[in-house]
Amino acid sequence: GAGVSQSPSNKVTEKGKDVELRCDPISGHTALYWYRQSLGQGLEFLIYFQGNSAPDKSGLPSDRFSAERTGGSVSTLTIQRTQQEDSAVYLCASSLYMYEQYFGPGTRLTVT
Amino acid sequence: DQQVKQNSPSLSVQEGRISILNCDYTNSMFDYFLWYKKYPAEGPTFLISISSIKDKNEDGRFTVFLNKSAKHLSLHIVPSQPGDSAVYFCAASNAGGTSYGKLTFGQGTILTVHP
Repeated sequence: GAGVSQSPSNKVTEKGKDVELRCDPISGHTALYWYRQSLGQGLEFLIYFQGNSAPDKSGLPSDRFSAERTGGSVSTLTIQRTQQEDSAVYLCASSLYMYEQYFGPGTRLTVT
Repeated sequence: DQQVKQNSPSLSVQEGRISILNCDYTNSMFDYFLWYKKYPAEGPTFLISISSIKDKNEDGRFTVFLNKSAKHLSLHIVPSQPGDSAVYFCAASNAGGTSYGKLTFGQGTILTVHP
């Protein structure tokens, strides 16, 4: 079966532009997560959607970051007015059971 | 504040020997721990997990040990194989909390297994 997919795989953008990153979770998975990995760092939690509950946005680093999940499936992470420190690999994961999160390949974002 | 720490950025072992990867945590509310493996240009893949009610969990060549008093866990791989070469991330969760799905990751350890 299909795993978690993310698009685009790579994105280069100019400082100040907005970007949208897409995640298609595994069909039937109720939970969806966004993380990012900056160079030389571990994975940093951003936001978590569980079913119809209000998302846990506690990891979003600033109000320039937002995410939505439509129809309990596809999710879009939006970064407005990108800054160079936003450059990272953005990873999406989904899960059916609480802890076994399945990750996509990530989107490498470079802000020039 | 790094709540999950992997103090060894890299580890090199010979094929067939044991690999021991270590992880320390500071948040006493963490009660579920996981190890993920990551190859270049791929997302992390789940390897093994352990609940705080246990001190050991084994799955084939992989064993995770948890020492709650020391807030320390380790992953043992034996025997190590060249295909195990990857970045290994330790992660922790507060299963009893409201954000039980949120994982806090360590910085990762690069394991290299030499033939």
